[in-house]
Amino acid sequence: KAGVTQTPRYLIKTRGQQVTLSCSPISGHRSVSWYQQTPGQGLQFLFEYFSETQRNKGNFPGRFSGRQFSNSRSEMNVSTLELGDSALYLCASSNSAEIATGELFFGEGSRLTVL
Amino acid sequence: EDQVTQSPEALRLQEGESSSLNCSYTVSGLRGLFWYRQDPGKGPEFLFTLYSAGEEKEKERLKATLTKKESFLHITAPKPEDSATYLCAVLPGNTDKLIFGTGTRLQVFP
Repeated sequence: KAGVTQTPRYLIKTRGQQVTLSCSPISGHRSVSWYQQTPGQGLQFLFEYFSETQRNKGNFPGRFSGRQFSNSRSEMNVSTLELGDSALYLCASSNSAEIATGELFFGEGSRLTVL
Repeated sequence: EDQVTQSPEALRLQEGESSSLNCSYTVSGLRGLFWYRQDPGKGPEFLFTLYSAGEEKEKERLKATLTKKESFLHITAPKPEDSATYLCAVLPGNTDKLIFGTGTRLQVFP
């Protein structure tokens, strides 16, 4: 059974540019959530999608956006990149409509470096 | 404000030396507490979900327990392959957003 696939794995951008990250969840999983991981802050919730609808959003500026397609694949976009956006971006999928099960399956992440 | 604090930040153990990791939380009504393991360069891997005080879950050398204010991850006779960062997360009662702690980095030496 294929796991959660994130692309690209590594990327380098400069300030002011924008970036799009992609996530393919485990087949049959309809919930996809995104997290930002940095050494100082740990994992911070960005947003969660279920059946193409954003159900929850974290406390990030509007430069961070996402969407989910009908096949459950998801993308997140960061516009006008800042140095502080350098982080590991993790995508997680779940086969439950109920988030309280907590059993998320994470991808290996996309490591973004902003210069 | 909902908060999760993990301690210690880092822990070095000799193989076979049992210990415990702590996750203390302050949330508005706990709906669930979750433990994950993260290896370098990988995404977190789900370990346990605990829902109520007094609950315990076990998996191989790991046992997770929960009280009203904290959770412990007990590691019995650890092996070098248990080396990883262990993350704790909580789901408050008034939101569907998981709140993660910053983790405990465990190193087990032969």
